[in-house]
Amino acid sequence: DQQVKQNSPSLSVQEGRISILNCDYTNSMFDYFLWYKKYPAEGPTFLISISSIKDKNEDGRFTVFLNKSAKHLSLHIVPSQPGDSAVYFCAATSHGSGNTGKLIFGQGTTLQVKP
Amino acid sequence: ETGVTQSPTHLIKTRGQQVTLRCSSQSGHNTVSWYQQALGQGPQFIFQYYREEENGRGNFPPRFSGLQFPNYSSELNVNALELDDSALYLCASSLDPGGGGGELFFGEGSRLTVL
Repeated sequence: DQQVKQNSPSLSVQEGRISILNCDYTNSMFDYFLWYKKYPAEGPTFLISISSIKDKNEDGRFTVFLNKSAKHLSLHIVPSQPGDSAVYFCAATSHGSGNTGKLIFGQGTTLQVKP
Repeated sequence: ETGVTQSPTHLIKTRGQQVTLRCSSQSGHNTVSWYQQALGQGPQFIFQYYREEENGRGNFPPRFSGLQFPNYSSELNVNALELDDSALYLCASSLDPGGGGGELFFGEGSRLTVL
């Protein structure tokens, strides 16, 4: 039962262009969504998050969009840089009663930004 | 401020053996969560520890157990190892058990290979 899905295993874009990474979820109880970035031989690092009460959150070159009716979120990176090349994980959680802060992760999308 | 550190970084075991993985949480963090990341998959929640007690568990059998110590460091123990236990084991610390903003700080992980 994959509650969070990233259907594109990989994405390749040219430096300076926009990167769009997509994520779908099935659980309506999710109310908080996060993106993590992972370089080889390192642990995932937090990138950006969004609450279900919002539909957009921006932090520098990174913007996350949330479409609750479609149960879909996306991460936009503009402009993309070679240093952005990494595996990106979408994650979701529910802050309901008894929640332990458990994150449900997608399978990840490998982004390659070509110089 | 020290980050999350895990040991060992790599280890090889045989089926049926037992393994202990260790984690030191980030300074000031009182909550530790453990995740299993199989090859090509996203991290999967194993369990969380808060104030030295298990505070939520994912879909993992009882042979996966843990401890948290007064200094908030933690251990993950896996008994009767199976081939499918081969994975990267990630430890993550956070400021509070509810996940707060959901922001977890991950270590580099322990790569376990079961032969």
